[in-house]
Amino acid sequence: GQQLNQSPQSMFIQEGEDVSMNCTSSSIFNTWLWYKQDPGEGPVLLIALYKAGELTSNGRLTAQFGTTRKDSFLNISASIPSDVGIYFCAGQLLNPGYALNFGKGTSLLVTP
Amino acid sequence: EPEVTQTPSHQVTQMGQEVILRCVPISNHLYFYWYRQILGQKVEFLVSFYNNEISEKSEIFDDQFSVERPDGSNFTLKIRSTKLEDSAMYFCASIGQGDSPLHFGNGTRLTVT
Repeated sequence: GQQLNQSPQSMFIQEGEDVSMNCTSSSIFNTWLWYKQDPGEGPVLLIALYKAGELTSNGRLTAQFGTTRKDSFLNISASIPSDVGIYFCAGQLLNPGYALNFGKGTSLLVTP
Repeated sequence: EPEVTQTPSHQVTQMGQEVILRCVPISNHLYFYWYRQILGQKVEFLVSFYNNEISEKSEIFDDQFSVERPDGSNFTLKIRSTKLEDSAMYFCASIGQGDSPLHFGNGTRLTVT
């Protein structure tokens, strides 16, 4: 499948700091999604992006779909301890299966 | 809010045994998926299912795997003869419209001994 390069691999920050992570791909995606996964649970959708250049917010989260449809970033402002988890980017292809290709994840640790 | 539900939450099986992982997608959804996540790794696509047939599958989804929608609510993944490397979290997901975001279940942790 198409390769998504997600960075950084992990982040260790203090509560209140802002966080930024991004994903790039050599392929164009129809939809770009950001998920958060807590230990032992399934990925939970945070933000979905549908249009090139689209900038979308969800509370303290902001994500943008790159104009070339090959990249996206996710920002978390004023981090809190419950932001801890693994954040995955995922690209959804425009094909009959609409399968998702996931990045390898960014592990976020927030200290009080 | 409707959820994708998966059972069991954890299954332990011996190598070579058959396992069936069960999922109940969100009721009005049309596309169904299985993904797996080996511990500490990314989520990997296995198979998508639409209109009662497989629409796409990955290289991982070999002849040992099969999917079925035996009735109007359940969606199952069968592994015919499990191997140690099949140990992973298996996630079911579904969507309503083609470009809607996927909704994941909480997964089944499969441990093959």
